[in-house]
Parts: sequence; C-alpha cells; structure tokens
Amino acid sequence: EAQVTQNPRYLITVTGKKLTVTCSQNMNHEYMSWYRQDPGLGLRQIYYSMNVEVTDKGDVPEGYKVSRKEKRNFPLILESPSPNQTSLYFCASSLGSRIYEQYFGPGTRLTVT
Amino acid sequence: AQSVTQLDSHVSVSEGTPVLLRCNYSSSYSPSLFWYVQHPNKGLQLLLKYTSAATLVKGINGFEAEFKKSETSFHLTKPSAHMSDAAEYFCVVSSGDAGGTSYGKLTFGQGTILTVHP
Repeated sequence: EAQVTQNPRYLITVTGKKLTVTCSQNMNHEYMSWYRQDPGLGLRQIYYSMNVEVTDKGDVPEGYKVSRKEKRNFPLILESPSPNQTSLYFCASSLGSRIYEQYFGPGTRLTVT
Repeated sequence: AQSVTQLDSHVSVSEGTPVLLRCNYSSSYSPSLFWYVQHPNKGLQLLLKYTSAATLVKGINGFEAEFKKSETSFHLTKPSAHMSDAAEYFCVVSSGDAGGTSYGKLTFGQGTILTVHP
C-alpha cells in the first residue's frame, strides 16, 4: 500500500531532550516536507527537500533540523525542544511541489513540558 | 513571496444548501493552487488543484473551484452540502519560480471549519 509513515504518533518529552520524528514513504517520491499544525494557524511548512541531499527552509525552520540521506526517509530533529514546539506535525511527500498532490502521513502529536 | 488568506474561519450551512469557502492568494509568479480537506483526527486529502490549465476545476465529492487571476481568488464551492462534508478545509498556494529560492515552498491558509446542520 502506498503510504507515508511517521513515528512516533504521540510523544511527550521534556524541554531540552533531543528527539527525532521519523518519516518514510514508499512511493519513490522526490519531494518531501514537514509541517506543523497549530489551531488557527493552519499548516506551516518547516523544511522541505526537493531530492536526496537537497533541503531548504520553509516558513518556520527555527529550532528544527532535517536530513535527506535516502530518498524514502526524511527525519525531523529537534535538538533542544521547547514548549512552543508543542504541536501536531505532518510529513508529506509528492512527485514535486508545484503541481503535484501532497500525500500526508498520519501526524505526530508532540508535547514538550 | 506568496501568501494565502482564507476569509472565513468558520462557515455553517444547512444540509442541502450551497457551500462557499473563500480563498485569496498573493504570489510573485504564476501560482498553483490546491484545496485540501481534513476530517477530525484524520490526515489531509486533496480535493482539487489548479495548475494553469482550465480555470474552473472540478474535484472529488462534488466540489469545484474557480481560479480568478484578476481577483486573486480561488473560492471553493459545492451546490448541495452533505453531513459528511463537515471538516476543516485548507487553501494552499505554490508559486516559486523554477530554480528560484522558494520553488519548493507551499503556503497554507489558516483553515476554514465547515459545519453542516441537519
């Protein structure tokens, strides 16, 4: 089944404790992206990747890191999480950004205390 | 630069009546525009997209949208609402120039919550 998977689905952590949220897709998509969703703000793009080893900042990259060493994986790293990073995170993939449908993962709900 | 404004944070309609969700955009280049729907506790699903072909775009579940360049709008409509349409809807723009610094950026609107009353 074609899908985007994220792990973990739920995570509660403490301020400053490094964490990684994994994202994997099995559709051979070149484009992958991370978003955070907050009430009243819609989804905001954190980082995106046009292809392996090619990443770029979205609208809210501060406090996040990404890497794209393989085509199928695009992990999101929070090196020192803070409470303002408490949010619902979505990973997405597609054939490209401009004209193609984004396929979204199920979401990761992160709470930082 | 690109941005999206969804003009209503909440829209409430009765079942069987028309739906109108409004979206205005701004972009430096010719945009691609999308509408996604998110049902409660679910992921996002594409409803329809405009990518510089026909300006009237038909999507799934009876939804359609019209791209109006002069008004920089991409409003979503449906002739007759169904209870299953209750969800949050997002308008999305992508307009970076190929090879430019914002080519991969996607910008979402703030979302419109659609409530459908019996």
